[in-house]
Amino acid sequence: RKEVEQDPGPFNVPEGATVAFNCTYSNSASQSFFWYRQDCRKEPKLLMSVYSSGNEDGRFTAQLNRASQYISLLIRDSKLSDSATYLCVVKTGGFKTIFGAGTRLFVKA
Amino acid sequence: IAGITQAPTSQILAAGRRMTLRCTQDMRHNAMYWYRQDLGLGLRLIHYSNTAGTTGKGEVPDGYSVSRANTDDFPLTLASAVPSQTSVYFCASSRTGGSGELFFGEGSRLTVL
Repeated sequence: RKEVEQDPGPFNVPEGATVAFNCTYSNSASQSFFWYRQDCRKEPKLLMSVYSSGNEDGRFTAQLNRASQYISLLIRDSKLSDSATYLCVVKTGGFKTIFGAGTRLFVKA
Repeated sequence: IAGITQAPTSQILAAGRRMTLRCTQDMRHNAMYWYRQDLGLGLRLIHYSNTAGTTGKGEVPDGYSVSRANTDDFPLTLASAVPSQTSVYFCASSRTGGSGELFFGEGSRLTVL
């Protein structure tokens, strides 16, 4: 079993839709959680950190469920520019940062 | 503001050849990393450096070596390239080893034939 697992998708949604991605992690000692965004043939960039109480940044909401060991990302009012791969990232102390393989999102006009 | 610069952006290499991927950052970050990204596997850590003069092994270090002579530069060397090292290589940095946000270079696409 992979340490961080994501549904690879692709998710195909129309503009304006709400879409949610989940990510599960296997190490209960994991300390920090993030979502990165990666455009096609580009480098990953931090989208948002994920806090225990949940957090929101504009149209993006991230949630953490430690009991079930998953994090989620909700995107409301999807834009064409949201089309990308979303990487779930989990840190388990020190340098141990595990990247999920990513979930691909296509937003259609 | 350059951030992290990687070179070359793309390279085709014959198996058995030696290759060095260059990485330079201008953010004065202490920690630097090399990842490889392969389809379906996500990013995997090859080597890292907590600070100038120190390096450590990541998840997939075999066949690769690194050095960190100063804060800014973190080259990755393939001593004798093999086809399984065909991948996209990303250099990254963070303010400290425990810092959450990683800043990535644009990547180096390497093909070993």
